[in-house]
Amino acid sequence: QVQLQESGPGLVKPSETLSLTCTVSGGSITNYYWNWIRQSPGKGLEWIGYIYNSGTTNYNPSLKSRVTISVDTSKNQFSLKLSSVTAADTAVFYCARTHTYYYGSGTYTRYFDLWGRGTLVTVSS
Amino acid sequence: SNVLTQPPSVSVAPGKTANFTCGGDNIGTKSVQWYQQKPGQAPVLVIFYDSARPSGIPERFSGSNSENTATLSISRVEAGDEADYYCQVWDGSSDHPVFGGGTKLNVL
Repeated sequence: QVQLQESGPGLVKPSETLSLTCTVSGGSITNYYWNWIRQSPGKGLEWIGYIYNSGTTNYNPSLKSRVTISVDTSKNQFSLKLSSVTAADTAVFYCARTHTYYYGSGTYTRYFDLWGRGTLVTVSS
Repeated sequence: SNVLTQPPSVSVAPGKTANFTCGGDNIGTKSVQWYQQKPGQAPVLVIFYDSARPSGIPERFSGSNSENTATLSISRVEAGDEADYYCQVWDGSSDHPVFGGGTKLNVL
């Protein structure tokens, strides 16, 4: 049974870089898209970006200038770096797996079929 | 437009049916997913491809999608169904997801 686990500091100072790692256990990291999604307190879900095991990435345009997602296939891990954080970046950060579902001819959708439990990161001095 | 609109809350008595709407331009042409998020927990996929249920999701959960509105229905609502429910589509042109703002289910 594949499981995801986020890890990293729970407190980051303003203007610094937030760094988190997601460890994939019980299965391989290859052949899937892996995502970071965050949720500010009392708010909805915000997609941050994804990485494929080849290293291909795609980021939310609103965060693109500050986000880097990387993968280490040898460790079955992928990571998030978010730079120049402010209090507005305080959130629960989730890692999640994308499943691609094909229907019709060449038509597909993607959704998140597996999530980590989430980790709260607070930005404060 | 890839904006998905959900009402902030829905209230329903136990045993009744709860309906959640997700509005968007021509959303009927897209595949819609629904997630349930209970307090303090990660979201869980309850419907994909408009109306398909993942393994382990009760038959009480159903979905439909037409024209400008997708709907998640939960029949025979239980207290344990209290949660936030989010709709999601995938934007193929930008290759990223779009989430609705979520609807909180209150079981009376």
